[in-house]
Amino acid sequence: QVQLVQSGAEVKKPGSSVKVSCKASGDTFSDYVITWVRQAPGQGLEWMGGILPIFNSPHYAQNFQGRVTITADESTSTAYMELGSLRSEDTAIYYCARVMRESATRYFDLWGQGTLVTVSS
Amino acid sequence: DIQMSQSPSSLSASVGDRVTITCRASQSIGIYLNWYQQNPGKAPKLLIYAASNLQSGVPSRFSGSGSGTDFTLTINTLQPEDFATYYCQQSYSTPQFTFGPGTKVDIK
Repeated sequence: QVQLVQSGAEVKKPGSSVKVSCKASGDTFSDYVITWVRQAPGQGLEWMGGILPIFNSPHYAQNFQGRVTITADESTSTAYMELGSLRSEDTAIYYCARVMRESATRYFDLWGQGTLVTVSS
Repeated sequence: DIQMSQSPSSLSASVGDRVTITCRASQSIGIYLNWYQQNPGKAPKLLIYAASNLQSGVPSRFSGSGSGTDFTLTINTLQPEDFATYYCQQSYSTPQFTFGPGTKVDIK
């Protein structure tokens, strides 16, 4: 069964960075875009960016340009999302998801369990 | 950038009701519109893709329609497990994606 398993909860200081991992199992990792979505407490879903591991070419939402780095390691079927210059507003659950493509359409059909990142002094 | 809006932001309904949620895009996005359900403390779950295609395993009481800028998610015969928050998402501007703000469906 295909799964995305994320790393555990993190507590970080303002100004530091956090790196969250997302390990895929049970399917061909490199052929799908892995994307990252975050959700602040009580708020909606915010798309951050994604990567196609076979090309190792990330793309980012404008809101996170310059502060987020998304990478992938094909040898371990793991994607990573690193967010820097953390501030309290970055406290959120961070999800990875697989982007399925069907003809010209794209959708997020498989999600990780989420990783809570708390930014606090 | 394509902006997404949803209405209502919340609604109260009873088991057995028919519920309709609307999503609007700031420009035409064809049929590149997906719907997700999120229960508290859980990851989102795909319900509908490309405006009207039911994801495998999703009950047939869920349906989607629309194209261009206006889309609808309908839940027929609301079940207890359907009380959740629903998000639309545009994939027209792939690889950029945008979610709507969400619609919370709670028990009347």
